[in-house]
Amino acid sequence: GQSLEQPSEVTAVEGAIVQINCTYQTSGFYGLSWYQQHDGGAPTFLSYNALDGLEETGRFSSFLSRSDSYGYLLLQELQMKDSASYFCAVRDSNYQLIWGAGTKLIIKP
Amino acid sequence: EAEVAQSPRYKITEKSQAVAFWCDPISGHATLYWYRQILGQGPELLVQFQDESVVDDSQLPKDRFSAERLKGVDSTLKIQPAELGDSAMYLCASSLPGGPDNEQFFGPGTRLTVL
Repeated sequence: GQSLEQPSEVTAVEGAIVQINCTYQTSGFYGLSWYQQHDGGAPTFLSYNALDGLEETGRFSSFLSRSDSYGYLLLQELQMKDSASYFCAVRDSNYQLIWGAGTKLIIKP
Repeated sequence: EAEVAQSPRYKITEKSQAVAFWCDPISGHATLYWYRQILGQGPELLVQFQDESVVDDSQLPKDRFSAERLKGVDSTLKIQPAELGDSAMYLCASSLPGGPDNEQFFGPGTRLTVL
């Protein structure tokens, strides 16, 4: 079967750095995406990695290791507005997005 | 800024009733998706359209769910009859066709409560 594993909840302090991990097992792989979803809101796209390495976009970075079937999202200089759920999603061989269950990020002042 | 529109935002219905959700994707986006998201879980794809054609509906419970995109623009998702287990957020998303890195743009969703 296909599965994505990510922690259900992560807690961090405002101004700190936090890493949200994602491991996947899918039939085929075209890339790893990250989405942010605030409570009651819709998912919004953050990043996409197709090749190994680190992609940086402002305070957010995303990393991929295809050999390890592993990726992570790194959030720096955490702000209270970053409190949300973060989903990793993998494009499988059918080009479908397979989603993880999400990681709830709790930020404390 | 272009957005995906969905209506209604909230729907409360009784089991065995019929419900319908509407989605208008971003103009020019040929690919349209309907997802179901249960609280605390990730979105689950129900159906994907490319223009007016269904590309994938393998996870759609076809005995009670139906979806159409007759003119390849807006789309309707219907449930008949609704069951208690259908209570969830129904999300519509759209994207440009092409490679796997295409970002999906989501609408605000319809929160369905079945009593």
